[in-house]
Amino acid sequence: GAGVSQSPSNKVTEKGKDVELRCDPISGHTALYWYRQSLGQGLEFLIYFQGNSAPDKSGLPSDRFSAERTGGSVSTLTIQRTQQEDSAVYLCASSPRDGTLFYNEQFFGPGTRLTVL
Amino acid sequence: GDSVTQMEGPVTLSEEAFLTINCTYTATGYPSLFWYVQYPGEGLQLLLKATKADDKGSNKGFEATYRKETTSFHLEKGSVQVSDSAVYFCALRNAGRRALTFGSGTRLQVQP
Repeated sequence: GAGVSQSPSNKVTEKGKDVELRCDPISGHTALYWYRQSLGQGLEFLIYFQGNSAPDKSGLPSDRFSAERTGGSVSTLTIQRTQQEDSAVYLCASSPRDGTLFYNEQFFGPGTRLTVL
Repeated sequence: GDSVTQMEGPVTLSEEAFLTINCTYTATGYPSLFWYVQYPGEGLQLLLKATKADDKGSNKGFEATYRKETTSFHLEKGSVQVSDSAVYFCALRNAGRRALTFGSGTRLQVQP
């Protein structure tokens, strides 16, 4: 079946502009994660959604970052007033119902490479 | 907080050589441990996992054993192939958090 998809695959923007990154999780997966992969910081957790529960936003680096998940499926990560340090690959992952089986596998998308000039 | 430390790369080996990539962790409680692989131009893929002490995860000839006494989860393969060239990430997931905590990644280059 289809895996996690992300769009766009590449995004180049100017400093100060807003960007939106999209993630389509695997159908039926209730848990969705955003991570950021950058040269200086490695792979960092940003935000986690599980069903209708309040999202875990503990990894968001600043209030310029926000994310939504509509209808328990598609998610959008928005970065306002982008800065050069926001340049990174943004990865989305999804997993099946994330109850007590805390070792459920996370399936990753190919990522969106964001470059802020 | 939780953290994962991996050996720095790149690791360059000849085909059929033995591979070890070291990984140690710091975490409270009893985390689950993972190795993910990222092939050139592709997304992260789960390679293997172990959920409790002394468990051995294995896949595609790779193995790693969850060692609680040394807080380690070293990745090994007896005979690497050119197709194993990729970046390997060690990660943990604690029961108290849903997200994965990753190491910095180790690039493996296998030469024919």
